[in-house]
Amino acid sequence: GEDVEQSLFLSVREGDSSVINCTYTDSSSTYLYWYKQEPGAGLQLLTYIFSNMDMKQDQRLTVLLNKKDKHLSLRIADTQTGDSAIYFCAESLGGATNKLIFGTGTLLAVQP
Amino acid sequence: EAGVAQSPRYKIIEKRQSVAFWCNPISGHATLYWYQQILGQGPKLLIQFQNNGVVDDSQLPKDRFSAERLKGVDSTLKIQPAKLEDSAVYLCASSFSVNQPQHFGDGTRLSIL
Repeated sequence: GEDVEQSLFLSVREGDSSVINCTYTDSSSTYLYWYKQEPGAGLQLLTYIFSNMDMKQDQRLTVLLNKKDKHLSLRIADTQTGDSAIYFCAESLGGATNKLIFGTGTLLAVQP
Repeated sequence: EAGVAQSPRYKIIEKRQSVAFWCNPISGHATLYWYQQILGQGPKLLIQFQNNGVVDDSQLPKDRFSAERLKGVDSTLKIQPAKLEDSAVYLCASSFSVNQPQHFGDGTRLSIL
């Protein structure tokens, strides 16, 4: 079945790197996404990676994909207090609908 | 570029009442999605439109939920009658086409008393 799992909570100090992990089950996933959700807001698209890539870098963000282990990670360099939010991993199933399956989210708390 | 617009931002109703949410997608986006996000969970797809046609409504509780996108632009999602378990944030998203990234609105937070 389709399932995406994330750890619930991560706490880091300002200036450190944060690594948020995600595992998924569907081997036919085409794209994998990272979204950020701040309190009372919708989901902001951060970055995404095509399933035939193993790494993507975008400014402070680095996405690593291990397709064999179905493991995705998001690294945030030089984490700032403004990065405090819930981070959602999502896999897209492709096909006619390209449906997204979301994880339960990881709450990132950045300590000053 | 204007983002996905949703209204209202908040709604409080009693169980068994009806409620409607409105969404205006990003201009030019053919695909529109409604998601339900229960507290502490990730969003779950309720219905997906491609232009004015339904692509996927397999997770929509059709006995009480309905949605339409008559002219292929704006969309409304309705719940009638509401149940306590419908308390959630209802998120609208749009994408240029099916295989493009989805962009989300700020959502409507629904509380059922």
